[in-house]
Amino acid sequence: SQQGEEDPQALSIQEGENATMNCSYKTSINNLQWYRQNSGRGLVHLILIRSNEREKHSGRLRVTLDTSKKSSSLLITASRAADTASYFCATDAGGGSNYKLTFGKGTLLTVNP
Amino acid sequence: NAGVMQNPRHLVRRRGQEARLRCSPMKGHSHVYWYRQLPEEGLKFMVYLQKENIIDESGMPKERFSAEFPKEGPSILRIQQVVRGDSAAYFCASSPPTPGSYGYTFGSGTRLTVV
Repeated sequence: SQQGEEDPQALSIQEGENATMNCSYKTSINNLQWYRQNSGRGLVHLILIRSNEREKHSGRLRVTLDTSKKSSSLLITASRAADTASYFCATDAGGGSNYKLTFGKGTLLTVNP
Repeated sequence: NAGVMQNPRHLVRRRGQEARLRCSPMKGHSHVYWYRQLPEEGLKFMVYLQKENIIDESGMPKERFSAEFPKEGPSILRIQQVVRGDSAAYFCASSPPTPGSYGYTFGSGTRLTVV
């Protein structure tokens, strides 16, 4: 079964720096999504990129998708302490099961003030 | 719009008891999904429901777990005769029939602790 896997597992940076997280998956996908989870809270949807897209921007977020390498990256520019959270990528296989998301274990991002 | 509401936020049960987790989807959403998150793990799909229908329960353990989404009221995830291994965070998500580019809206979860 496919699984999104993020790396690094943990990332610690200073406020104002950029943070890059990567996600790899194993099989063909329909969409790839990134979610944020603050400690003890639910997931917040950040951005969705479709399999026929290569790059997408939303505010300080930039997501790339390379389907040939089965990988995606999430870049957060000019990070803030409030960006401290776990970040997960989630893929769906499309077809009749596109509702079934497969999550990785996440990257724990710590932004130090 | 209150978003996806889950309750209780925290639930403690003794081994052998029953756990009932509730999820009210976002207004206008008719599709509900349950996921389980074990410590240090990503979320794992459990079940997908529409009103009065279970669409896909391929991620549900074969025994002790059941889910429903009645015509009226919240979706319920029921775990009978809980064991320590059921301790986890259980998240509910909802969506309209076609989530589109907005992804799924998740609730804040119920953290179940079995003692």
